[in-house]
Amino acid sequence: QVHLQESGPGLVSPSETLSLTCAVSGASINNYYWSWIRQPPGKGLEWIAYIYDNGITDYSPSLRGRVTISKDTSKNQFSLTLNSVTAADTALYFCARVPPIAVPSYFDSWGQGTLVTVSS
Amino acid sequence: QSALTQPASVSGSPGQSITISCTGTSSDVGSYNLVSWYQHHPGKAPKLMIYEVSIRPSGVSDRFSGSKSGNMASLTISGLQAEDEADYYCSSYTGVSTLGSSTLAIFGGGTKVTVL
Repeated sequence: QVHLQESGPGLVSPSETLSLTCAVSGASINNYYWSWIRQPPGKGLEWIAYIYDNGITDYSPSLRGRVTISKDTSKNQFSLTLNSVTAADTALYFCARVPPIAVPSYFDSWGQGTLVTVSS
Repeated sequence: QSALTQPASVSGSPGQSITISCTGTSSDVGSYNLVSWYQHHPGKAPKLMIYEVSIRPSGVSDRFSGSKSGNMASLTISGLQAEDEADYYCSSYTGVSTLGSSTLAIFGGGTKVTVL
């Protein structure tokens, strides 16, 4: 059974860079698509990015230019970096697995999420 | 693109059936049979309940069913149980616009289901 675990600093200063890692067990990172999703306090979910099995990436237009998703196949994990953060980036960040079908259309396994607060 | 529209809350008594609506547009829900639903108990990992409008993953109770008509998708929970009390989110594939400005995936604001 696949297990995803997010990790990273819980507190980031404004204008700094947020870096998160998702460790994957029970599935090879080479065989699926992977994604980051976030949930600001009291709000709904927001898709952030995909990384496909071939390494190609897709980003939310609202975050493109500040966000990077990458993967480390040797460690079976993938990561998110978000530059120039503001209070609006405060959220519960989830990593998720996406079945490698024609289009990325659903998330079949999720991590529990990690809360990131942007504050000085 | 705006988020999909869900009711903030839905409630029902044990054994009853409830339906959660998820309203989108002709650019997302109405264009693709790629709506999915997720159950989230706070503090736990969200769980996929329905994908491609009406398909239940292995292990998901058949009390959960999904459907779609036009720009609106629905999740029905029949035989409501205490363990069904959670937040539920719908999501839709949005495609890729020629300008490359599509979000690819859009979510609803979430519906809190309360079992009375």
